Amino acid sequence: DAGVIQSPRHEVTEMGQEVTLRCKPISGHNSLFWYRQTMMRGLELLIYFNNNVPIDDSGMPEDRFSAKMPNASFSTLKIQPSEPRDSAVYFCASRRTSIDGDEQFFGPGTRLTVL
Amino acid sequence: DQQVKQNSPSLSVQEGRISILNCDYTNSMFDYFLWYKKYPAEGPTFLISISSIKDKNEDGRFTVFLNKSAKHLSLHIVPSQPGDSAVYFCAASGTSGTYKYIFGTGTRLKVLA
Repeated sequence: DAGVIQSPRHEVTEMGQEVTLRCKPISGHNSLFWYRQTMMRGLELLIYFNNNVPIDDSGMPEDRFSAKMPNASFSTLKIQPSEPRDSAVYFCASRRTSIDGDEQFFGPGTRLTVL
Repeated sequence: DQQVKQNSPSLSVQEGRISILNCDYTNSMFDYFLWYKKYPAEGPTFLISISSIKDKNEDGRFTVFLNKSAKHLSLHIVPSQPGDSAVYFCAASGTSGTYKYIFGTGTRLKVLA
């Protein structure tokens, strides 16, 4: 299994530009999570989906952030317009609902720099 | 407001000695706890977990201890190896199987050869 795939791995953009981060969860997993990692706040949950439906988006910092999951194998996190304070590493994780375990599997992350 | 706190941002330990990483939480509704390990330029990977019905869970060199009355958990690594050098995140959730984890800010462990 390829694991959770994220693209791009690095993104450098200018303030005001639109940024789209992409995630492909592990096949068969029915929950997907978007996190942001910063030095000050660690790993913050932004939003999660269950069976492609957004369940909790209370962690989305502002209306500039939006996330979609059009099907079970793809999700996007969009920032429009981007600001320098959005610079962070963004992780996608997926999980299969089962009695075998509760762990989430993380992708390698996208390092976003907004100049 | 951080519900899960890792107050030590970094820790250095000699190879072969014990590493103890600490985590405190404030929400008494948390009843499932996990530790994740993260290497540079990689995503976090699951290490070990514990349910609130237990006070200890062991997996090889890794042991997690839970003190519910103190709302404190710790991860012990014995013996520590240079390959254990990474950032360790503590996470908590409301009930086992709940989707939402709350993570701490992480502790960077450096194991010195």
